[in-house]
Amino acid sequence: QSVLTQPPSASGTPGQRVTISCSGSSLNIRGSAVNWYQKLPGTAPKLFIYSNNQRPSGVPDRFSGSKSGTSASLTISGLQSEDEADYYCATWDDSLNVLFGGGTKLTVL
Amino acid sequence: QLQLRESGSRLVKPSQTLSLTCAVSGGSLSTADYSWSWIRHPPGKGLECLGYIFHTGNTYYNPSLKSRVTMSVDRSRNQFSLKLTSVTAADTAIYYCARHLDSGGFDYWGQGTLVTVSS
Repeated sequence: QSVLTQPPSASGTPGQRVTISCSGSSLNIRGSAVNWYQKLPGTAPKLFIYSNNQRPSGVPDRFSGSKSGTSASLTISGLQSEDEADYYCATWDDSLNVLFGGGTKLTVL
Repeated sequence: QLQLRESGSRLVKPSQTLSLTCAVSGGSLSTADYSWSWIRHPPGKGLECLGYIFHTGNTYYNPSLKSRVTMSVDRSRNQFSLKLTSVTAADTAIYYCARHLDSGGFDYWGQGTLVTVSS
């Protein structure tokens, strides 16, 4: 059971806006930055959002991140078929342990 | 372009030691602002960070695995290693090495290697 809670699944149709949540606590998300990773089958995770809301170069601007209190969100605006993947949030706890959420499987209908 | 590549034992017997090495090319393990990590992905489960080794050589281990994990660095070969002792079937996973930015996030990953614990 992950300390960071994500919905196991999410879905949307092409062009829709989809938001994936990540819920933590004052021991982790409240005091640390949140990162998001996209994982496609058979490949290594790819950093998609870092420091709550920053996009690495090459990540489409339809991906955005936010954090408020003990929760964070990843929003995909204008969903595309290639966005179908697993998404993981991650942060640190107060003892420097890196925590991952359980992952959300995003399906593009 | 930074590249990481895992190598090591793919099949380990229960109670034995899992050993993996990550060879880094295109960058130095001694560069400040980065640390180097091992992350695993058990089948059907989520990601788990086993720990990381700072550019200084200091280490941090996941408390849930601390008694079984050792990480080390070989600067002459620009590689870092993982040892996990007393393995069980629960340690079966794809193991990744990755670079961690101090400002946030694992930005470079190896391709991953599947390690199976089985007799």
